[in-house]
Amino acid sequence: TQLLEQSPQFLSIQEGENLTVYCNSSSVFSSLQWYRQEPGEGPVLLVTVVTGGEVKKLKRLTFQFGDARKDSSLHITAAQPGDTGLYLCAANSGGSNYKLTFGKGTLLTVNP
Amino acid sequence: NAGVTQTPKFRVLKTGQSMTLLCAQDMNHEYMYWYRQDPGMGLRLIHYSVGEGTTAKGEVPDGYNVSRLKKQNFLLGLESAAPSQTSVYFCASALAATDTQYFGPGTRLTVL
Repeated sequence: TQLLEQSPQFLSIQEGENLTVYCNSSSVFSSLQWYRQEPGEGPVLLVTVVTGGEVKKLKRLTFQFGDARKDSSLHITAAQPGDTGLYLCAANSGGSNYKLTFGKGTLLTVNP
Repeated sequence: NAGVTQTPKFRVLKTGQSMTLLCAQDMNHEYMYWYRQDPGMGLRLIHYSVGEGTTAKGEVPDGYNVSRLKKQNFLLGLESAAPSQTSVYFCASALAATDTQYFGPGTRLTVL
């Protein structure tokens, strides 16, 4: 079973600051997804990356997939209180694997 | 279009009692999943289904059973609840193996 390590586990910042969270593994993935989960709700997909070195932007969020497809990062520019939530990465190893493996998440708090 | 719904939202059980959690999706998705989420443990896959009439074990299947008699429904059963099964349970569905997983709002279960 592949393991996904997310860091940091907790992050508390002020509105307007920039931040980066990481998702790392020793395994190679066919694809990697980032989800955001707000309190009392289920996770919601933000982005899927599939190509090594791929960079995707979603407004103030920038997602990068490592060249070797073993790691990923999420950078948020000028964080807002609405960005508060649990950020989860999830990976699929491909082939006949129908399952996603989730990291434990980074709990982000953006203070006004 | 309700997406993924879960019933009930909250439940308190005594040790040894049984219950069934219902997940329903109206997106005609083939794949359905049951996860549990515990503090510091992230999302862990309990059982999943790749189509009507099929089920398979995930990472933490012990103490749970599932059934997928209809494509739109995925039931999770606890035959004899234990305090270790206190958790938040999420159901998810997807069109294909590596596609976006759409999550329900969760069921918060407490076993006393």
